[in-house]
Amino acid sequence: EAGVAQSPRYKIIEKRQSVAFWCNPISGHATLYWYQQILGQGPKLLIQFQNNGVVDDSQLPKDRFSAERLKGVDSTLKIQPAKLEDSAVYLCASSSVIGGEQFFGPGTRLTVL
Amino acid sequence: AQSVTQPDIHITVSEGASLELRCNYSYGATPYLFWYVQSPGQGLQLLLKYFSGDTLVQGIKGFEAEFKRSQSSFNLRKPSVHWSDAAEYFCAVGHNNNDMRFGAGTRLTVKP
Repeated sequence: EAGVAQSPRYKIIEKRQSVAFWCNPISGHATLYWYQQILGQGPKLLIQFQNNGVVDDSQLPKDRFSAERLKGVDSTLKIQPAKLEDSAVYLCASSSVIGGEQFFGPGTRLTVL
Repeated sequence: AQSVTQPDIHITVSEGASLELRCNYSYGATPYLFWYVQSPGQGLQLLLKYFSGDTLVQGIKGFEAEFKRSQSSFNLRKPSVHWSDAAEYFCAVGHNNNDMRFGAGTRLTVKP
């Protein structure tokens, strides 16, 4: 069984630029999560989808971050415009049901200069 | 509000020695508790979880953890550490697998 796929693995941009990350969850997993992991900290949930609907986006900075999962399968997280403090690893996870075990992808490391 | 504290930022142990990583939590109801491991460049992997029942939980790779409600703790243990256990370890608390809050992590170094 293939795991959670994320791309790109690394991204370097300048502040005020835009960036997008892609996640393909494990096949059949209805629930998808995006986390932000700043260096030296644990992951922080940004947004949770159930199929193509948002379950929780209370910690998503909506003035610059957006995410979508239009067909209820893969998902894109976008930052526009990026700030220095957005430098982090962005992790995607999926689970078969809400409340099920979460499986994590390898993450995308973003550096904002 | 729920929160997790991992008091040790970095721990070094010798290969073959025992290991205990500390985790303290704050949660308003019966917590669901988790330990994850993250190797460099890898995603998080679930080691074990506690939902209810026996307070001593067995996980993968020879790890175990004990839930102590009176101390609000969920410490991770391993009797004999292998060099491959060097990684970052995260404790998390949540409502089942939702709304998980992670600690800041403990980095484990294993000396030969």
